[in-house]
Amino acid sequence: GESVGLHLPTLSVQEGDNSIINCAYSNSASDYFIWYKQESGKGPQFIIDIRSNMDKRQGQRVTVLLNKTVKHLSLQIAATQPGDSAVYFCADNQAGTALIFGKGTTLSVSS
Amino acid sequence: ETGVTQSPTHLIKTRGQQVTLRCSSQSGHNTVSWYQQALGQGPQFIFQYYREEENGRGNFPPRFSGLQFPNYSSELNVNALELDDSALYLCASSLMAGGGNEQFFGPGTRLTVL
Repeated sequence: GESVGLHLPTLSVQEGDNSIINCAYSNSASDYFIWYKQESGKGPQFIIDIRSNMDKRQGQRVTVLLNKTVKHLSLQIAATQPGDSAVYFCADNQAGTALIFGKGTTLSVSS
Repeated sequence: ETGVTQSPTHLIKTRGQQVTLRCSSQSGHNTVSWYQQALGQGPQFIFQYYREEENGRGNFPPRFSGLQFPNYSSELNVNALELDDSALYLCASSLMAGGGNEQFFGPGTRLTVL
């Protein structure tokens, strides 16, 4: 069945380092992916999205890479800050209505 | 802040009871989706409402039902509560239904079933 998952449940980095969070998906027909950030006690917050006709998309301090050959995407956060500490989810919107979320990666940034 | 509001913030119920959760969508959005997020898990899609009609449903039993009102606000109703229904319930609104439309999430309602 369709699933979206992340490789690592936790990631610990030092302030100023670059962070890379990975995600694998199983549905070859998936064509739209979104990264969300969820802080404690809050709902998921949109970070960046990418469509399947792109390999890379950049935002402010964040970059998403999509490798359709191996069905993998990653979120890169440059110069990670303590405020980046949160749970990060990749989500697949291929179904058109539902967002299919993975389990999430908890990013901890120490100063 | 996304402009999506949910009430109540927290709720405690006992097994077998019924609960109603409410969501106000962001201004101009006609589509509302509901998700259940168990502790330590990603959100799971319950259903979506588009212009007052159900527009898709996830793998949840019929005791999970919903409504969308003419002002596009929405309710999630859960009957015959079970312990496993304890979770954070998230509402998300989007400008339109269909793939590629960004969903904006509210802060959620934390439901505890004892």
